[in-house]
Amino acid sequence: DAGVTQSPTHLIKTRGQQVTLRCSPKSGHDTVSWYQQALGQGPQFIFQYYEEEERQRGNFPDRFSGHQFPNYSSELNVNALLLGDSALYLCASSVMGGFNYGYTFGSGTRLTVV
Amino acid sequence: ELKVEQNPLFLSMQEGKNYTIYCNYSTTSDRLYWYRQDPGKSLESLFVLLSNGAVKQEGRLMASLDTKARLSTLHITAAVHDLSATYFCAVDSGNEKLTFGTGTRLTIIP
Repeated sequence: DAGVTQSPTHLIKTRGQQVTLRCSPKSGHDTVSWYQQALGQGPQFIFQYYEEEERQRGNFPDRFSGHQFPNYSSELNVNALLLGDSALYLCASSVMGGFNYGYTFGSGTRLTVV
Repeated sequence: ELKVEQNPLFLSMQEGKNYTIYCNYSTTSDRLYWYRQDPGKSLESLFVLLSNGAVKQEGRLMASLDTKARLSTLHITAAVHDLSATYFCAVDSGNEKLTFGTGTRLTIIP
Protein backbone atom coordinates (compact mmCIF):
# COMPACT_ATOMS: atom_id res chain seq x y z
CA ASP A 1 0.00 0.00 0.00
CA ALA A 2 1.70 3.17 -1.21
CA GLY A 3 1.98 5.94 1.33
CA VAL A 4 1.99 9.64 0.53
CA THR A 5 4.05 10.49 -2.55
CA GLN A 6 5.50 13.94 -3.15
CA SER A 7 7.36 15.31 -6.14
CA PRO A 8 9.87 16.61 -6.82
CA THR A 9 12.12 15.78 -3.87
CA HIS A 10 14.38 18.79 -4.34
CA LEU A 11 13.96 22.03 -6.25
CA ILE A 12 16.04 25.16 -6.73
CA LYS A 13 14.31 28.31 -7.93
CA THR A 14 15.22 31.96 -8.36
CA ARG A 15 13.51 34.80 -6.53
CA GLY A 16 10.39 35.93 -8.34
CA GLN A 17 9.79 32.60 -10.05
CA GLN A 18 6.79 30.35 -9.56
CA VAL A 19 6.81 26.74 -8.37
CA THR A 20 4.37 23.83 -8.31
CA LEU A 21 4.69 20.95 -5.86
CA ARG A 22 2.68 17.73 -6.14
CA CYS A 23 1.23 15.25 -3.68
CA SER A 24 -0.54 11.92 -4.08
CA PRO A 25 -2.31 10.86 -0.89
CA LYS A 26 -2.26 7.47 0.71
CA SER A 27 -4.76 5.03 -0.77
CA GLY A 28 -8.14 5.47 0.88
CA HIS A 29 -7.44 9.03 2.05
CA ASP A 30 -9.54 11.92 0.75
CA THR A 31 -8.03 14.96 2.48
CA VAL A 32 -4.71 16.65 1.79
CA SER A 33 -3.02 19.24 4.01
CA TRP A 34 0.15 21.15 3.21
CA TYR A 35 2.74 22.28 5.75
CA GLN A 36 5.86 24.43 5.49
CA GLN A 37 8.81 23.51 7.68
CA ALA A 38 11.64 26.05 7.86
CA LEU A 39 15.03 24.83 9.02
CA GLY A 40 15.04 24.11 12.75
CA GLN A 41 11.32 24.80 13.14
CA GLY A 42 8.15 22.79 13.50
CA PRO A 43 5.86 22.44 10.48
CA GLN A 44 3.34 25.23 9.93
CA PHE A 45 -0.08 24.63 8.40
CA ILE A 46 -0.59 26.22 4.98
CA PHE A 47 -4.00 24.92 3.87
CA GLN A 48 -6.19 21.85 3.58
CA TYR A 49 -8.15 20.46 0.64
CA TYR A 50 -11.20 18.23 0.73
CA GLU A 51 -13.71 17.55 -2.04
CA GLU A 52 -11.57 19.67 -4.37
CA GLU A 53 -12.05 22.78 -2.24
CA GLU A 54 -9.83 24.67 0.16
CA ARG A 55 -11.38 23.88 3.49
CA GLN A 56 -9.21 25.99 5.76
CA ARG A 57 -6.10 28.08 5.54
CA GLY A 58 -3.25 29.04 7.81
CA ASN A 59 -1.50 32.38 8.04
CA PHE A 60 0.07 32.36 4.59
CA PRO A 61 -0.23 35.03 1.87
CA ASP A 62 -2.23 34.63 -1.33
CA ARG A 63 1.00 33.82 -3.17
CA PHE A 64 0.39 30.33 -1.83
CA SER A 65 -2.44 28.57 -3.64
CA GLY A 66 -3.49 25.02 -4.22
CA HIS A 67 -5.71 22.61 -5.97
CA GLN A 68 -7.15 19.17 -5.39
CA PHE A 69 -8.06 16.88 -8.26
CA PRO A 70 -10.89 14.33 -8.48
CA ASN A 71 -8.42 11.52 -7.68
CA TYR A 72 -7.62 13.35 -4.38
CA SER A 73 -4.09 14.32 -5.45
CA SER A 74 -3.09 17.90 -4.80
CA GLU A 75 -0.80 20.68 -5.95
CA LEU A 76 0.74 23.55 -4.04
CA ASN A 77 1.66 26.61 -6.07
CA VAL A 78 3.82 29.45 -4.85
CA ASN A 79 4.13 32.62 -6.93
CA ALA A 80 6.70 35.41 -6.76
CA LEU A 81 9.11 33.33 -4.70
CA LEU A 82 10.99 34.99 -1.86
CA LEU A 83 14.19 33.83 -0.19
CA GLY A 84 12.11 33.17 2.92
CA ASP A 85 10.06 30.57 1.07
CA SER A 86 13.03 28.21 1.24
CA ALA A 87 11.82 25.29 3.33
CA LEU A 88 10.74 21.67 3.39
CA TYR A 89 7.16 21.42 2.14
CA LEU A 90 5.26 18.49 3.58
CA CYS A 91 2.02 16.99 2.39
CA ALA A 92 -0.15 15.08 4.85
CA SER A 93 -3.11 12.94 3.89
CA SER A 94 -5.97 11.75 6.03
CA VAL A 95 -9.59 10.68 5.98
CA MET A 96 -11.96 13.55 6.70
CA GLY A 97 -13.38 12.94 10.15
CA GLY A 98 -10.88 10.15 10.73
CA PHE A 99 -8.63 12.07 13.09
CA ASN A 100 -8.34 8.99 15.29
CA TYR A 101 -6.29 7.36 12.56
CA GLY A 102 -3.88 10.24 12.44
CA TYR A 103 -2.18 11.86 9.51
CA THR A 104 0.33 10.35 7.10
CA PHE A 105 3.12 12.60 5.89
CA GLY A 106 5.04 12.38 2.66
CA SER A 107 8.81 12.65 2.37
CA GLY A 108 8.57 16.30 1.45
CA THR A 109 9.90 18.63 -1.21
CA ARG A 110 12.91 20.69 -0.24
CA LEU A 111 12.64 24.06 -1.96
CA THR A 112 15.63 26.36 -2.13
CA VAL A 113 15.11 29.91 -3.40
CA VAL A 114 18.27 31.71 -4.50
CA GLU B 1 -4.79 31.11 18.78
CA LEU B 2 -3.52 27.69 19.79
CA LYS B 3 0.08 27.64 21.00
CA VAL B 4 2.09 24.48 21.57
CA GLU B 5 5.30 24.52 23.58
CA GLN B 6 7.78 21.74 24.06
CA ASN B 7 10.62 21.46 26.50
CA PRO B 8 13.41 20.95 26.50
CA LEU B 9 14.36 22.15 23.02
CA PHE B 10 17.61 20.23 23.13
CA LEU B 11 18.38 17.12 25.11
CA SER B 12 21.59 15.12 25.33
CA MET B 13 21.37 11.98 27.32
CA GLN B 14 23.50 8.95 27.92
CA GLU B 15 22.53 5.54 26.72
CA GLY B 16 20.60 3.61 29.33
CA LYS B 17 19.12 6.68 31.04
CA ASN B 18 15.49 7.73 31.30
CA TYR B 19 14.06 11.11 30.41
CA THR B 20 10.80 12.90 29.65
CA ILE B 21 9.83 15.45 27.00
CA TYR B 22 6.97 17.79 27.86
CA CYS B 23 4.35 19.28 25.55
CA ASN B 24 2.06 22.04 26.81
CA TYR B 25 -0.75 23.57 24.79
CA SER B 26 -2.90 26.61 25.30
CA THR B 27 -6.48 25.66 24.39
CA THR B 28 -8.78 22.75 25.05
CA SER B 29 -8.05 19.69 22.96
CA ASP B 30 -8.23 15.93 23.30
CA ARG B 31 -6.36 15.15 20.10
CA LEU B 32 -2.60 15.04 20.40
CA TYR B 33 -0.04 13.40 18.16
CA TRP B 34 3.65 12.62 18.56
CA TYR B 35 6.00 12.43 15.58
CA ARG B 36 9.64 11.61 15.07
CA GLN B 37 11.79 13.29 12.43
CA ASP B 38 15.27 12.23 11.39
CA PRO B 39 17.53 14.88 9.78
CA GLY B 40 16.34 15.79 6.29
CA LYS B 41 13.49 13.32 6.49
CA SER B 42 9.72 13.44 6.86
CA LEU B 43 7.59 12.90 9.95
CA GLU B 44 7.01 9.43 11.28
CA SER B 45 3.89 8.96 13.38
CA LEU B 46 4.59 7.60 16.86
CA PHE B 47 1.43 7.99 18.93
CA VAL B 48 -2.16 9.19 18.61
CA LEU B 49 -3.68 10.26 21.95
CA LEU B 50 -7.41 10.99 21.90
CA SER B 51 -8.69 11.14 25.45
CA ASN B 52 -7.82 12.35 28.90
CA GLY B 53 -5.60 9.83 30.62
CA ALA B 54 -4.63 8.08 27.39
CA VAL B 55 -1.34 6.22 27.64
CA LYS B 56 0.37 4.44 24.79
CA GLN B 57 3.67 2.57 24.68
CA GLU B 58 5.87 1.34 21.88
CA GLY B 59 9.23 -0.13 22.74
CA ARG B 60 11.22 2.32 24.85
CA LEU B 61 8.76 5.19 24.27
CA MET B 62 5.62 5.91 26.25
CA ALA B 63 3.26 8.84 25.71
CA SER B 64 0.48 10.16 27.92
CA LEU B 65 -2.15 12.88 27.74
CA ASP B 66 -3.68 15.01 30.51
CA THR B 67 -6.30 17.18 28.84
CA LYS B 68 -7.17 19.01 32.04
CA ALA B 69 -3.59 20.16 32.50
CA ARG B 70 -3.20 20.57 28.71
CA LEU B 71 -0.05 18.49 28.96
CA SER B 72 1.38 15.51 27.16
CA THR B 73 4.59 13.71 27.99
CA LEU B 74 6.86 11.45 25.97
CA HIS B 75 8.92 9.25 28.25
CA ILE B 76 12.07 7.53 27.06
CA THR B 77 13.22 4.47 28.96
CA ALA B 78 16.80 3.15 28.84
CA ALA B 79 17.71 5.25 25.82
CA VAL B 80 19.59 3.72 22.92
CA HIS B 81 21.47 5.51 20.13
CA ASP B 82 18.87 4.88 17.44
CA LEU B 83 16.37 7.02 19.34
CA SER B 84 18.40 10.11 18.40
CA ALA B 85 16.04 12.33 16.38
CA THR B 86 13.81 15.38 16.70
CA TYR B 87 10.48 14.73 18.38
CA PHE B 88 7.41 16.87 17.75
CA CYS B 89 4.07 17.00 19.44
CA ALA B 90 1.13 18.34 17.46
CA VAL B 91 -2.34 19.33 18.64
CA ASP B 92 -5.60 19.30 16.74
CA SER B 93 -8.02 21.73 18.36
CA GLY B 94 -10.98 20.15 16.61
CA ASN B 95 -10.72 21.32 13.01
CA GLU B 96 -8.30 18.62 11.79
CA LYS B 97 -5.49 21.14 11.42
CA LEU B 98 -2.31 20.35 13.32
CA THR B 99 -0.39 22.93 15.32
CA PHE B 100 3.11 21.70 16.02
CA GLY B 101 5.44 22.34 18.89
CA THR B 102 8.94 23.65 18.36
CA GLY B 103 10.43 20.18 18.56
CA THR B 104 12.90 18.53 20.92
CA ARG B 105 16.23 17.54 19.41
CA LEU B 106 17.33 14.42 21.22
CA THR B 107 20.90 13.17 21.08
CA ILE B 108 21.82 9.89 22.74
CA ILE B 109 25.46 9.71 23.76
CA PRO B 110 27.14 6.28 24.01
